[in-house]
Amino acid sequence: AQKVTQAQTEISVVEKEDVTLDCVYETRDTTYYLFWYKQPPSGELVFLIRRNSFDEQNEISGRYSWNFQKSTSSFNFTITASQVVDSAVYFCALSEANGGFKTIFGAGTRLFVKA
Amino acid sequence: DSGVTQTPKHLITATGQRVTLRCSPRSGDLSVYWYQQSLDQGLQFLIQYYNGEERAKGNILERFSAQQFPDLHSELNLSSLELGDSALYFCASSGLGQNTEAFFGQGTRLTVV
Repeated sequence: AQKVTQAQTEISVVEKEDVTLDCVYETRDTTYYLFWYKQPPSGELVFLIRRNSFDEQNEISGRYSWNFQKSTSSFNFTITASQVVDSAVYFCALSEANGGFKTIFGAGTRLFVKA
Repeated sequence: DSGVTQTPKHLITATGQRVTLRCSPRSGDLSVYWYQQSLDQGLQFLIQYYNGEERAKGNILERFSAQQFPDLHSELNLSSLELGDSALYFCASSGLGQNTEAFFGQGTRLTVV
């Protein structure tokens, strides 16, 4: 069965600090997709990144970077030089090919960035 | 704008009532997913439809039902509502195969009083 664990419930940092949000997943499928979504206080879910199970290359997008390691079943998300606007709940999610591609979410990590 | 439209945005109703939430997927997307986000349960997958047929089922209560119509829009019916059903209900759509990113609607906030 698929499972996503985000052990950090809340993280509080001061602006300009770097912060890493952890995500550990479980799956028996060899073909799967991992996602990160951001949910700002306004409530909508904003897609950040998708990574498939065959592509372990890390990715950087501006201040965001993602570290995908199949050996540890982790897909961690780092925000460099955090800003107040980064304050939100961040969800890691997993979608399995054999599961009809339904997306299962972790519990989310609430990030507070203080000015 | 994700291209997924959910109506209504807000809904307030009384316990015991029945409501219908509507979702229009992105153009061309055949899959529709429903999720419930409550404070204590997080984002829970409810059900998935693909081209009109039920594809996967999650933690959906028997009081809840859904369907996908020939024009691919979907409705989630919630009946005998309880206070605990108050939540944000998201609809998402995606294609199958290569493009598995799910695009989420803005959600319907249901408040049961």
